[in-house]
Amino acid sequence: ETGVTQSPTHLIKTRGQQVTLRCSSQSGHNTVSWYQQALGQGPQFIFQYYREEENGRGNFPPRFSGLQFPNYSSELNVNALELDDSALYLCASSLSGRGSNTQFFGPGTRLTVL
Amino acid sequence: ILNVEQSPQSLHVQEGDSTNFTCSFPSSNFYALHWYRWETAKSPEALFVMTLNGDEKKKGRISATLNTKEGYSYLYIKGSQPEDSATYLCAFTRDDKIIFGKGTRLHILP
Repeated sequence: ETGVTQSPTHLIKTRGQQVTLRCSSQSGHNTVSWYQQALGQGPQFIFQYYREEENGRGNFPPRFSGLQFPNYSSELNVNALELDDSALYLCASSLSGRGSNTQFFGPGTRLTVL
Repeated sequence: ILNVEQSPQSLHVQEGDSTNFTCSFPSSNFYALHWYRWETAKSPEALFVMTLNGDEKKKGRISATLNTKEGYSYLYIKGSQPEDSATYLCAFTRDDKIIFGKGTRLHILP
């Protein structure tokens, strides 16, 4: 177990709704990265938060937004949900924002958009 | 567009045999290359992070090599065991972005 937790485990929403996913980082880690894994694909980088600031972003539209709190836990918010947003959402925490740091993954949140 | 390619997509290996698979990535502005093992119903588990050309890392029966000049990394598994069945992902980091390949799905046959 990595010590990274995510909630909820599963979620079903309908098109147009909004969703918030949560991630608690491993103790001592100040960086959280979020990924989307669609069926048959590798995890796609959404963004990374380092000490409460966004520290890199992948090719995702602005309706994907995030937040990191002073305790370094993080939220991923997705507005105006689309069917293609159905995926496994993973978060990973690391010691810092450096790309050479090992990332420790949570178990993921499975989002289904109907 | 930054692309990470992994091959093969899927692999069946007899228990006890050794195997290897490849991760290809852009060779310019390299920063780091990560390998993860992802077993079904579990979280991805970090195996190695490599940053220097020529790096070799080893963890038990699993080892990895890195060639940043030509843009590839190999993962080797010696004497495959049933518990090695998993998807092996590589990820390339550059310019504050982290790009994963689609993974190699390894099945160990008894």
